[in-house]
Amino acid sequence: AIQLTQSPSSLSASVGDRVTITCRASQDISSALSWYQQKPGKAPKLLIFDVSGLETGVPSRFSGSGSGTDFTLTISSLQPEDFASYYCQQFDNYPLTFGGGTKVEIK
Amino acid sequence: EVQLVESGGGLVKPGGSLRLSCAASGFTFSSYSMTWVRQAPGKGLEWVSSIGSSSGYIYYADSVKGRFTISRDNAKNSLFLEMNSLRGEDTAVYYCARESGSSPDDFDCWGQGTLVTVSS
Repeated sequence: AIQLTQSPSSLSASVGDRVTITCRASQDISSALSWYQQKPGKAPKLLIFDVSGLETGVPSRFSGSGSGTDFTLTISSLQPEDFASYYCQQFDNYPLTFGGGTKVEIK
Repeated sequence: EVQLVESGGGLVKPGGSLRLSCAASGFTFSSYSMTWVRQAPGKGLEWVSSIGSSSGYIYYADSVKGRFTISRDNAKNSLFLEMNSLRGEDTAVYYCARESGSSPDDFDCWGQGTLVTVSS
């Protein structure tokens, strides 16, 4: 199974900060990677599809990049509503897998 | 409005069984592959099982293979997960999710989740 390693597992940041989360795949997954945001007690929400596609309704401060095995989610200017957990997911093949998650907390 | 609503969770003893349901509305259910994803308390997301739009393919995570069965009823816009031989490590919130496009794919719509607790 393809393993996804996210880093960091948690971070503290201030409103307005630029935040970068990385996701490394154990093998080449081309562009079959997406990112989700999850707030406590809520279902995950798709943010970024196919590495860099912005899901409808997602603010443009969110962006994704990468290819092959190394991927990045960037929040250009952190807003209060962005404090949440973020997960990457690969859909190159089954079993589908998620990264371990990154919790973004208020500094 | 696209909506997925899970039901059927609850408290069950180890070795017991439970059947989860997911009612879909607001989209053509029969055109989409569907998936179950779970999240143990305080942990990350774990893919459990996926089924094709017409049940033409089914996949399971190794952790549930042989114990869980995914199925769907397109006439009733419903997805199911039959869970047998339940273990403590199956305790989790179970989400049903719609795959965005051609499988395998990501998930663009999620239900609110239903909690399954396996404990004596």
